[in-house]
Parts: sequence; structure tokens; C-alpha cells
Amino acid sequence: EIVLTQSPATLSLSPGERATLSCRASQSVSNYLAWYQQKPGQAPSLLIFDASNRAFGIPARFSGSGSGTVFTLTISNLEPEDFAVYYCQQRTDRALTFGGGTRVEIK
Amino acid sequence: QVQLQESGPGLVKPSETLSLSCTVSGASISSTAYYWSWIRQPPGKGLEWVGSIYFTGGSFYNPSLKSRVTISVDTSKNQFSLRLASVTAPDTATYYCASSRGHFGVFDSWGQGTLVPVSS
Repeated sequence: EIVLTQSPATLSLSPGERATLSCRASQSVSNYLAWYQQKPGQAPSLLIFDASNRAFGIPARFSGSGSGTVFTLTISNLEPEDFAVYYCQQRTDRALTFGGGTRVEIK
Repeated sequence: QVQLQESGPGLVKPSETLSLSCTVSGASISSTAYYWSWIRQPPGKGLEWVGSIYFTGGSFYNPSLKSRVTISVDTSKNQFSLRLASVTAPDTATYYCASSRGHFGVFDSWGQGTLVPVSS
């Protein structure tokens, strides 16, 4: 099983600031990594797939980068609606796994 | 845009079988363009993939749950279903159904989720 480790667990920032979230894989996942956003009481929603491709309708302030074992989700200019929990997820093999999540909270 | 809606009993007793259905609208369950999946989230915790099915290509399960999980498709109702046998308290979670169009394991549409407590 490929283990995904997200850091930090919590990120405290102000609106307008830049958020940088990390996801590290226990072995190479190539570029088969996605990012999801989950707000309280809601289902997750897809932000980024295959490391750097924004899903339909996702604003350009969300960007993903990385390959192999190290990945980053960047939110360039935090909007009030961006404060949420973010999960990374790999699909390299048929045993899909998620990271533990990073909570982005208002400072 | 695919829409998904989970349904099933709101409570399951320990040792029994959890059964949920996901009704799909906006796409055919028999389409070869989609994968259909279940993902769960224990209260206050992270996400765990349960398993996926592809109409003509079989099913794939989380190795930690494989011995207890069955995912199937009902074309007459345009639904797919989850059965999880011999449940215990740690199986208490919100269960989401999700779809992936074209890319196995990219969950681009989600149901709203249904909380299933396991309790006597």
C-alpha cells in the first residue's frame, strides 16, 4: 500500500495570503496524484488531477506541481471560501489511498 | 454533469451486513466511460477508498476490506451498490459514492454522503 503523508496538519493563514500544502508518497506515484477540497458537512470535491491539471471550473489560484514522491498544492491568494480541509490521493495502482489531510484555517 | 445519491438504512447492527445503493443520473451505469466507487469517512477522520467497479472490467477493492466487500451494478435501476459484511463499530462512517469519467481513481463527482452508524 502506498502511504501518503500530508504536511502540515494545520495551516493558519489570513485571506489574501499564499498557501503551500505538501504531500509525500512512500513510493513513486509518477504523476497520478489528485487533490480534493472538503468543507464542513460537505462531500469532497476534485481540485487537481494528475498532479497539475485543474478540474473543470476550478479557479486559476489553485495549482498543483510535483512528480514521483513529492507534490505541492498552492493556493496563490486565499479567498474566504478556500478555508477547508485538503486531501491528496494517488491512483498509481489498483489500491487507491488518500493522505491524512491538511486543514487550512483562518488566522 | 453526473449526479449521485446514496440510499440505505440509517443504522446497522454489529455482525450484520451494511447495504447501500447509489442512484446515478446524467449518465448510464453501463457506460464504459465511467468507473463507479465507494469512499468512506469515519466521523472526524480522513477519507478511505472502499472499492470501485467498471461495467465491463470488473471490480477493485481496498485490500484491507476485500474479504468483506462486494460492489455490484443494477442496470435496470441505473444504480450501483455496496455490501460490507460482518460490520463492527470501526465501520461507522459517512459513505460516499463517486464517479470517475475516463480516469480510474479520479473522483470527479460525489454524492452527498450518508452516515451509517454501527451500533446495537
